Amino acid sequence: DAMVIQNPRYQVTQFGKPVTLSCSQTLNHNVMYWYQQKSSQAPKLLFHYYDKDFNNEADTPDNFQSRRPNTSFCFLDIRSPGLGDAAMYLCATSRVTGVGNEQFFGPGTRLTVL
Amino acid sequence: RKEVEQDPGPFNVPEGATVAFNCTYSNSASQSFFWYRQDCRKEPKLLMSVYSSGNEDGRFTAQLNRASQYISLLIRDSKLSDSATYLCVVNSGDKIIFGKGTRLHILP
Repeated sequence: DAMVIQNPRYQVTQFGKPVTLSCSQTLNHNVMYWYQQKSSQAPKLLFHYYDKDFNNEADTPDNFQSRRPNTSFCFLDIRSPGLGDAAMYLCATSRVTGVGNEQFFGPGTRLTVL
Repeated sequence: RKEVEQDPGPFNVPEGATVAFNCTYSNSASQSFFWYRQDCRKEPKLLMSVYSSGNEDGRFTAQLNRASQYISLLIRDSKLSDSATYLCVVNSGDKIIFGKGTRLHILP
């Protein structure tokens, strides 16, 4: 009864080769988030969707894009991965944004860039 | 001052002991607060929300001190399975900030 699913769990790509990570949810939540987490660091929010409304964080590099074709799915596209993009990518959902919203995380995709 | 700050630890605590750690936040307008637990190489999982009145869930107690702008997590009768990183999350409505986490090691 997984609620937030991420595929693949491990992804290896080459420097500069585009990669897409996927996230799906069975919670029917309005909001989906993508975070980047590097070792011993806090998860860093890249962007989020409230329904179809896309909200980019100011410091998210242009190299990162996202798509949300429907309520259940959200994709993270890394157009030209660099060595510094190796990290765990976490997808999360919440029913709404704002005060009191609890986030539910997927298991993450660990990206390796060669 | 960092937006959300936690002592990174590690806290090395014998099994059965009580341990507490704090998380300070800089935005006085912050409105909701959470503790998440993250095991090594796994995703964060919600441990508990933190309410103004404080809340307790079994061996875990969370409290909020708005005047001093910190939240705390107390773990009683610690178990080996409590070993993890505990992340503080602060929500100011338009912004969600994670702390870097406090590492806890429960020693047998």
